[in-house]
Amino acid sequence: DTAVSQTPKYLVTQMGNDKSIKCEQNLGHDTMYWYKQDSKKFLKIMFSYNNKELIINETVPNRFSPKSPDKAHLNLHINSLELGDSAVYFCASSQGQTSSYEQYFGPGTRLTVT
Amino acid sequence: AQSVAQPEDQVNVAEGNPLTVKCTYSVSGNPYLFWYVQYPNRGLQFLLKYITGDNLVKGSYGFEAEFNKSQTSFHLKKPSALVSDSALYFCAVRDAGSGNTGKLIFGQGTTLQVKP
Repeated sequence: DTAVSQTPKYLVTQMGNDKSIKCEQNLGHDTMYWYKQDSKKFLKIMFSYNNKELIINETVPNRFSPKSPDKAHLNLHINSLELGDSAVYFCASSQGQTSSYEQYFGPGTRLTVT
Repeated sequence: AQSVAQPEDQVNVAEGNPLTVKCTYSVSGNPYLFWYVQYPNRGLQFLLKYITGDNLVKGSYGFEAEFNKSQTSFHLKKPSALVSDSALYFCAVRDAGSGNTGKLIFGQGTTLQVKP
């Protein structure tokens, strides 16, 4: 049973295109996140949703738009892709918003923009 | 502002020897501290956390970590390393007083290499 799943696993696209990454969790968690891991493995939060409500919105370009149709899903849409968007994107979830809860991560989506 | 430092990019240890992966943190309030492990081409897996109570925390796969408030450290340890422990390890901190909008801040990661 996959706890946090992401699709696709790999995404290769050209500059200027629009793409989406989907995330689903079957843990019954209320809170979901998107992280970006760059080529140096540095991991930084992008967004956090709790029960479909946006909680954290880091300084991310407007080209990135998260959407949460229900609390089990958090998708990431990226418009006008740029070379610098190439990275691994991780979805995660936690039981709640409280700081003490650990997060469970998906397998990642490796995005390559050419 | 919160921050986490993992001073070693890589730690090399022989199988069977004890291992330590270092982490220091900075938060304005009390810290919630976490260790995660990332195997190649995989997502991060939760290992252990310190929230409150006993300074020595035990986690998955035989790992443990010691919270030291005076030194603002949370080093990851294992008494006897396995080759299969080779992976990228991340320390992370969250301010306990940050409430619902608190962010988990990750260190830059330490690659652990265990040699047979």
